[in-house]
Amino acid sequence: QSVLTQPPSVSAAPGQNVTISCSGSSSNIGNNYVSWYQQLPGTAPKLLIYDNNKRPSGIPGRFSGSKSGTSATLGITGLQTGDEADYYCGSWDSTLSPVFGGGTKLTVL
Amino acid sequence: EVQLVQSGAEVRKPGESLKISCKGSGYIFTSYWIGWVRQMPGKGLEWMGIIYPGDSDTRYSPSFQGQVTISADKSISTAYLQWSSLKASDTAMYYCARRDNDVLTGDKWFDPWGRGTLVTVSS
Repeated sequence: QSVLTQPPSVSAAPGQNVTISCSGSSSNIGNNYVSWYQQLPGTAPKLLIYDNNKRPSGIPGRFSGSKSGTSATLGITGLQTGDEADYYCGSWDSTLSPVFGGGTKLTVL
Repeated sequence: EVQLVQSGAEVRKPGESLKISCKGSGYIFTSYWIGWVRQMPGKGLEWMGIIYPGDSDTRYSPSFQGQVTISADKSISTAYLQWSSLKASDTAMYYCARRDNDVLTGDKWFDPWGRGTLVTVSS
């Protein structure tokens, strides 16, 4: 059972937009920043978003992040087949230990 | 380029010991925490623990405390994860990742990640 709650799966057609939610509590997301990671099939996780909504260099502007209260959202616009992956949210708890969501499998139909 | 290079896949029998490694390059190894993350087959990410190679300060997730040992050798920019007695349930992919941070906001995140070390424990 992961500390942060994500939907197990989402799907959309190429070119469409999709959002992935991440729900936590005041012990984690409510008082800490959120990051998002993309794990393409058979590869290691890769940082997608940090500081709730900042993109590392090299991450396309199609990816965005937001946070409100104890929840966060990853948005992907103009879906591409190459975006098919597992997406994980991450934050920190009151002991400053990292916590992750259970992951969301994105299928591009 | 900041990189973490992990040791290769391992196959062990239950009860055997194992030590896997994670070598950092392209940055000051002693200035960043290195975390270890487990991913069991078909499952999500689980944080195991973290070490600061500068002084070997180590923190463990309660779920992994006493089950594994995390260490580092700063002279060769390498962090380690070890087991003294493996179980079949330790079969998983293990990732190391550097904990980066924003000094202005206090935010922290993991980047980059190593490619992972697959550990298979089977009799």
